[in-house]
Amino acid sequence: GNSVTQMEGPVTLSEEAFLTINCTYTATGYPSLFWYVQYPGEGLQLLLKATKADDKGSNKGFEATYRKETTSFHLEKGSVQVSDSAVYFCALSDRGTKGAQKLVFGQGTRLTINP
Amino acid sequence: NAGVMQNPRHLVRRRGQEARLRCSPMKGHSHVYWYRQLPEEGLKFMVYLQKENIIDESGMPKERFSAEFPKEGPSILRIQQVVRGDSAAYFCASSRGGANYGYTFGSGTRLTVV
Repeated sequence: GNSVTQMEGPVTLSEEAFLTINCTYTATGYPSLFWYVQYPGEGLQLLLKATKADDKGSNKGFEATYRKETTSFHLEKGSVQVSDSAVYFCALSDRGTKGAQKLVFGQGTRLTINP
Repeated sequence: NAGVMQNPRHLVRRRGQEARLRCSPMKGHSHVYWYRQLPEEGLKFMVYLQKENIIDESGMPKERFSAEFPKEGPSILRIQQVVRGDSAAYFCASSRGGANYGYTFGSGTRLTVV
């Protein structure tokens, strides 16, 4: 079945450092790819998405490019802030056998930014 | 313009009791998804519903768990005879269509079984 593998955390960086969180996927067909962010005690929020190969999703300084040849969707940010501390989830849309288009999530990567 | 509303935020149940979790989707959204998040893990799909219909329940345990989305009122996830392993955060999401339309997640219900 379809699956998502994320870089293991936790990841700790200093403010203004460069961030990369790796994400690779296994899928049949052509899924859409997503990054979600979860702040403490809250639900998940969509950070960015890409719906086809070579698309780049971007939001709030974060970027990720849908790479079909390497089955990857790595999350990057050039200069992180303390407020970026959260858990980040990579996900793909999985149509499944009943057309549900449910999401398949990676295990999450906890990011802590120190001032 | 309220988002997805889940209640209660926190629920404590003793082993053997029933847990009822409620989810009101965003206005205009007719698709509801339930996910479970175990500690330090990603979210796992449980069930997908539209009004009065269960579309996909492939992620639901076969026993003790049920879900509904009636014509009027919120979607309900019901867990009978809870056990300690049911302790988790349960998230509801709604959308206008499938995942590619974009989900909106609620803040979750954190169930603790003691």
